[in-house]
Amino acid sequence: GNSVTQMEGPVTLSEEAFLTINCTYTATGYPSLFWYVQYPGEGLQLLLKATKADDKGSNKGFEATYRKETTSFHLEKGSVQVSDSAVYFCALSDKRNDYKLSFGAGTTVTVRA
Amino acid sequence: NAGVMQNPRHLVRRRGQEARLRCSPMKGHSHVYWYRQLPEEGLKFMVYLQKENIIDESGMPKERFSAEFPKEGPSILRIQQVVRGDSAAYFCASSPSRDPEAFFGQGTRLTVV
Repeated sequence: GNSVTQMEGPVTLSEEAFLTINCTYTATGYPSLFWYVQYPGEGLQLLLKATKADDKGSNKGFEATYRKETTSFHLEKGSVQVSDSAVYFCALSDKRNDYKLSFGAGTTVTVRA
Repeated sequence: NAGVMQNPRHLVRRRGQEARLRCSPMKGHSHVYWYRQLPEEGLKFMVYLQKENIIDESGMPKERFSAEFPKEGPSILRIQQVVRGDSAAYFCASSPSRDPEAFFGQGTRLTVV
């Protein structure tokens, strides 16, 4: 079955530091890959996505590249801000049941001023 | 345009009681998805509903759990005779069509004592 493994947290950084959150997946075929973010007190919201190999998703300074050879979709941001403090979830959906997301456990990121 | 609304945000039930979780999708959205997040785990798909129809309930426990999305009113996830293992965060998401890029609510945190 499908599964997503992401880096355990919590992660604590200083402002302007570089952030990487590792995500690897197991799936049949070629899934679509997503990063969702949950800010304190809010619901999950889509941060970025990639639907095929070598695609790069980007949004709000975050980037992730779909790497088929390493089955990975690592999230990166070059300079984090306090407002980036949140829980980040890596997820995938496969083509057969494209409405169904499989999530990683989430990584809590805290950015200190 | 209000987002996906879930209520209550927090629900405490004693073992053996019933829990009813409500989800009002975004305006114009007729597709609803429920996910459950157990402690230290990622969100797990439970059920996908369209108005008055259950499309996929493959993630729902066979007993005690049921879901509906009537023609009028919110979607309801119902858990009968709750047990401690049902303690989790339950998230609802909605979309205008079948789509993994759904909009999520803030979740209902169920605690069974």
